[in-house]
Amino acid sequence: GQNIDQPTEMTATEGAIVQINCTYQTSGFNGLFWYQQHAGEAPTFLSYNVLDGLEEKGRFSSFLSRSKGYSYLLLKELQMKDSASYLCAVQDSNYQLIWGAGTKLIIKP
Amino acid sequence: DAMVIQNPRYQVTQFGKPVTLSCSQTLNHNVMYWYQQKSSQAPKLLFHYYDKDFNNEADTPDNFQSRRPNTSFCFLDIRSPGLGDAAMYLCATSRSSGGYAEQYFGPGTRLTVT
Repeated sequence: GQNIDQPTEMTATEGAIVQINCTYQTSGFNGLFWYQQHAGEAPTFLSYNVLDGLEEKGRFSSFLSRSKGYSYLLLKELQMKDSASYLCAVQDSNYQLIWGAGTKLIIKP
Repeated sequence: DAMVIQNPRYQVTQFGKPVTLSCSQTLNHNVMYWYQQKSSQAPKLLFHYYDKDFNNEADTPDNFQSRRPNTSFCFLDIRSPGLGDAAMYLCATSRSSGGYAEQYFGPGTRLTVT
């Protein structure tokens, strides 16, 4: 079967750095997405990785290791507005998105 | 400059009373998706269209149907809603179904079944 694993919940302090991990087992791989979803709202796109390595975009970075079936999302200089769920999603061999259940990130002052 | 629009944002229906949710897009994307998302769960794909080619996920209940009359619009029909169908329904679009295919989501319709 296909599976995406992420921690259910994480807590971090405003101004700090947090790393959210995602491991996956899918039938094929055609890219990995990270989305942010605030409570009661739709997911919004954060990043896309298809090759191994680090993609940096402002305060957010995403890393991929295809051989390990592993990705992480790194958030720096945390702000209160970063409190949200972060969803990892993998495109399988049919280009279908397989979604994780998301990691709820709680930012404390 | 709304890109993916869903109406209504909140829908209350009675048990067993048919309901239709609508989605429209101004992106001219080929692919449209309907997802069901329950609290703290992953979005669950119900249907997707590549142009007018309809794709029904294997585990989508028969109670759910969809229509895409043209590129811009897509509808989700729930024939006889049950209490278990209460959820957020998300519409999304993407330019293509292969390669890099970022999905753009509408704001969602939160369905309550009484």
